Formats: sequence, structure tokens, C-alpha cells
Amino acid sequence: DADVTQTPRNRITKTGKRIMLECSQTKGHDRMYWYRQDPGLGLRLIYYSFDVKDINKGEISDGYSVSRQAQAKFSLSLESAIPNQTALYFCATSDTYRDTGELFFGEGSRLTVL
Amino acid sequence: GQNIDQPTEMTATEGAIVQINCTYQTSGFNGLFWYQQHAGEAPTFLSYNVLDGLEEKGRFSSFLSRSKGYSYLLLKELQMKDSASYLCAYMDSNYQLIWGAGTKLIIKP
Repeated sequence: DADVTQTPRNRITKTGKRIMLECSQTKGHDRMYWYRQDPGLGLRLIYYSFDVKDINKGEISDGYSVSRQAQAKFSLSLESAIPNQTALYFCATSDTYRDTGELFFGEGSRLTVL
Repeated sequence: GQNIDQPTEMTATEGAIVQINCTYQTSGFNGLFWYQQHAGEAPTFLSYNVLDGLEEKGRFSSFLSRSKGYSYLLLKELQMKDSASYLCAYMDSNYQLIWGAGTKLIIKP
């Protein structure tokens, strides 16, 4: 089983619908992140959390919200999906005490908004 | 500011050597990362440089020059499985990663 698990892996939805992407991890890491990836663009940070009581906006948080339900769970919500939120979404974790700050990614959730 | 550049695509031959360059401009710097991403898969960590110089790890090496805002990833003895996108990212003064768009490497037999 993957250390960082995302559900769903693929989702097609319509404009205006509410969507939740879920992420769970078994690595025991405190830090969790949500990124989106678009063709021709780098990974862009949406939200990040350094522990259960800590939530921070990233570069492109507008239109998104998150919930850190437990150390192991970090969910991303789109309250009213729009077509330009069509992208590949990645959850990632990192270890607070590891010098390199290496990120461990989930397998990705491909979202299509029609 | 945030500015990081790498070539969009490169082609190389199986068994050869390829160098993927990355340049960046930032007022705060806390290290340079390289990740590998196969099509449809998650990025996986390759290397981290925080001091100037070359870090070698098997067939892959990564170089950093902080004064020039420059890094490269060197892949030796290329194999077909090395066909992937290679992502460069620097860690800024807030310890956040700023990512390049990635370099798609195509390996030909």
C-alpha cells in the first residue's frame, strides 16, 4: 500500500458542484500539503499544514478550502467547482525533523470540471 | 520574487549522458531540489543541494552554484526507464518550494 493515499484518483464533475479530495498518510509526518499541476506550469501550492491546528494558504488558495482532521488526514475542498480548476492534484507530506525537507507525494487525483 | 527556468524538453540517446539545467532568481534561498516524474505518476525525490558543488548519487549527479543561481542534473549511462520529466525546485526564505515547469526527457534507442 502507498504511504500517501489520495481518493478519488479520477473525478469528473460539473460546474458549481462541491468536490472533496481526501489524503491520508501512514508516514507519521506532521507536515502535509496540497498542490495542483497543470501542463506547462510548475507545481503550485494551494494549502499546507504543519500540524493538526495549523493551516496556511499557499500561492493559489482562492476557490479552495482544507481541513486537517487528524495528523494523518488532510482534505481539499472545492466549494463550487469551475472549469479552470481542472487539473492534477497532489497531496504531499514531509518530516519536520528531516534536514532536506524532502516531499513524499500521493499518486494524484485527476479532476475534470465540465 | 519567484523565477525559475528549465528547458521544456530534451532528447538523448540510450547509454549517453545528458545535463538538464535550471536557473533561478530569488532573494531567499534554502536549497535546490530535483525530482523525477514519470508520466501519470507522482514526483519522486532525486537530490538536494544547499551548498555549492557536485553531489553524486549513482548514475545521477546534481550541481549547485548559489552565486550564479544555477543548478544542473547530470544523468549518465542513460536507460529507457529514465524517460520522464525532471522537476527543479528551490526552497525560498519561507521554506516553501518554488517549482519549475519541468523538463521532459525523451530517451531514444
